[in-house]
Amino acid sequence: DAGVIQSPRHEVTEMGQEVTLRCKPISGHNSLFWYRQTMMRGLELLIYFNNNVPIDDSGMPEDRFSAKMPNASFSTLKIQPSEPRDSAVYFCASSLGRNQETQYFGPGTRLLVL
Amino acid sequence: DQQVKQNSPSLSVQEGRISILNCDYTNSMFDYFLWYKKYPAEGPTFLISISSIKDKNEDGRFTVFLNKSAKHLSLHIVPSQPGDSAVYFCAASPGGGADGLTFGKGTHLIIQP
Repeated sequence: DAGVIQSPRHEVTEMGQEVTLRCKPISGHNSLFWYRQTMMRGLELLIYFNNNVPIDDSGMPEDRFSAKMPNASFSTLKIQPSEPRDSAVYFCASSLGRNQETQYFGPGTRLLVL
Repeated sequence: DQQVKQNSPSLSVQEGRISILNCDYTNSMFDYFLWYKKYPAEGPTFLISISSIKDKNEDGRFTVFLNKSAKHLSLHIVPSQPGDSAVYFCAASPGGGADGLTFGKGTHLIIQP
């Protein structure tokens, strides 16, 4: 299995630009999670989906952030407009979605907003 | 308010000795706990987990202990090897894989030859 795939691996953009991060979960997994890692706050949950439906988006920092999961094999996290404080590593993870199933992480997207 | 705390940002252990990483939590709703290992420029890799109905889970060199009354868990690595040098994250959830995880800030483990 290829594991969780994220693209791009690195993104450098200017403040005000739109940024789209992409994730392909492990085939057969029903739950998908977006996390963000920063020096100040560590790893924090942004949003997660179960069977393509958003379950909890309380971690999304503000309206500039949005996430979609149009089908079981693809999700996007969009930031519009981006700001320098959005600079972080964004991780996608997936799991079978059942109780006490392990979440498996992708390699992350390192975002730098200038 | 940090619900999962790893109070040691770093830990240095000699190769062959035991490494003990600690984690405390405050949320009584947490019933599933995991340890992840992370190398630079990679995503966290699952290491071992424990359900709140157990107090110990072992997998090879790795053992996780859970003390529910103290809201404390620890990861033991015996014997420690150079490849174990990484950042270790403790994570907790009220529902395991079905819910989002709350992470500690990590402990950087350094195994010295």
